[in-house]
Amino acid sequence: GQNIDQPTEMTATEGAIVQINCTYQTSGFNGLFWYQQHAGEAPTFLSYNVLDGLEEKGRFSSFLSRSKGYSYLLLKELQMKDSASYLCAVEDSNYQLIWGAGTKLIIKP
Amino acid sequence: ETGVTQTPRHLVMGMTNKKSLKCEQHLGHNAMYWYKQSAKKPLELMFVYSLEERVENNSVPSRFSPECPNSSHLFLHLHTLQPEDSALYLCASSQEGPNSGNTIYFGEGSWLTVV
Repeated sequence: GQNIDQPTEMTATEGAIVQINCTYQTSGFNGLFWYQQHAGEAPTFLSYNVLDGLEEKGRFSSFLSRSKGYSYLLLKELQMKDSASYLCAVEDSNYQLIWGAGTKLIIKP
Repeated sequence: ETGVTQTPRHLVMGMTNKKSLKCEQHLGHNAMYWYKQSAKKPLELMFVYSLEERVENNSVPSRFSPECPNSSHLFLHLHTLQPEDSALYLCASSQEGPNSGNTIYFGEGSWLTVV
């Protein structure tokens, strides 16, 4: 079966750095997405990785290793507004999006 | 303001009721989706429409009936639902149908409670 694993919940301190991991076992791979979802709001697109390596976008970076079936989202200089759920999704060989259950990130002052 | 709008935002219905969820996208996209989001579970794809034709139905019970009258509007008709159908229903759209690197844009969802 196809599976995406990410931690259920993480806690971090304002101003710090946090890394949210995502591991996947899918039928093929065509790309990996990260979305952010604040409580009661729409998931919003953060990043897309298709090649190995690190993609940096401001305070957020996303890393992919296809050989390891692994990605992480790195958030720097954490702000209170970063408290949200972070969803990892993989596009398999049929271009189906396989979703993780999301990681709830709690930022404390 | 999101490019994908959903109404109603909250809905409470009895198991014998008939109701509909509405979605409209203002992004000029050609594909629209219905997802179900339950607490601590992955998003479940329910239906996909591309150019107004249904291209995917992930074995969703017939008590959920989609309708896509044009590329900007999508409905989910609800009939004889069960309490376990209570969830957040998300509408989404993308430029093309399921394709590599095709970013999906979500609406804010309709919270459904079945009593």
